[in-house]
Amino acid sequence: DGGITQSPKYLFRKEGQNVTLSCEQNLNHDAMYWYRQDPGQGLRLIYYSQIVNDFQKGDIAEGYSVSREKKESFPLTVTSAQKNPTAFYLCASSPTGGGSDTQYFGPGTRLTVL
Amino acid sequence: RKEVEQDPGPFNVPEGATVAFNCTYSNSASQSFFWYRQDCRKEPKLLMSVYSSGNEDGRFTAQLNRASQYISLLIRDSKLSDSATYLCVVIKRDSGGGADGLTFGKGTHLIIQP
Repeated sequence: DGGITQSPKYLFRKEGQNVTLSCEQNLNHDAMYWYRQDPGQGLRLIYYSQIVNDFQKGDIAEGYSVSREKKESFPLTVTSAQKNPTAFYLCASSPTGGGSDTQYFGPGTRLTVL
Repeated sequence: RKEVEQDPGPFNVPEGATVAFNCTYSNSASQSFFWYRQDCRKEPKLLMSVYSSGNEDGRFTAQLNRASQYISLLIRDSKLSDSATYLCVVIKRDSGGGADGLTFGKGTHLIIQP
């Protein structure tokens, strides 16, 4: 089946540790995105990539890093520099990075920092 | 004025009623608009794009008012399964037609009551 997968669904980490969230898509989409959602809040863009080996910072990139070595994969690392990492992380993809493209979301990863 | 604003609700509506809510945006350069539906603790899913001429999909109607800078979503004959949070998305384009900014509203919470 085509789609976007994120793993794990739930993730717990100790304060001060880095953690990497996985996002894979087999839709052959060029563009991929990472968002963060906090309770009662809208989605905020962390990083996005419109093509392999290229990515740009979104609105809240501090404390996060990404890579885009393959078209299908866009992992997000939450570093210890991120002050409030507990949140719901959503990955999305779209056919291109164009302004009219629909974004399709993965099921999300809930990260809790203990 | 915030970039994208939605009434958070909740809107409590009896089953079978018609309900409508708006999403206002501040940047007149905004070009593309979407409505997403998000169920509790799930990822957002595309409900419909919003076209300048307005569009309808079954019980759902979306409209764009550029002069007053808002989009609307109307749900007729509401069902219990329509209970969810509805997010609006506003995309600006740059001079080349690419996406220059994508902003999610915080969502409107809708509860359909039996």
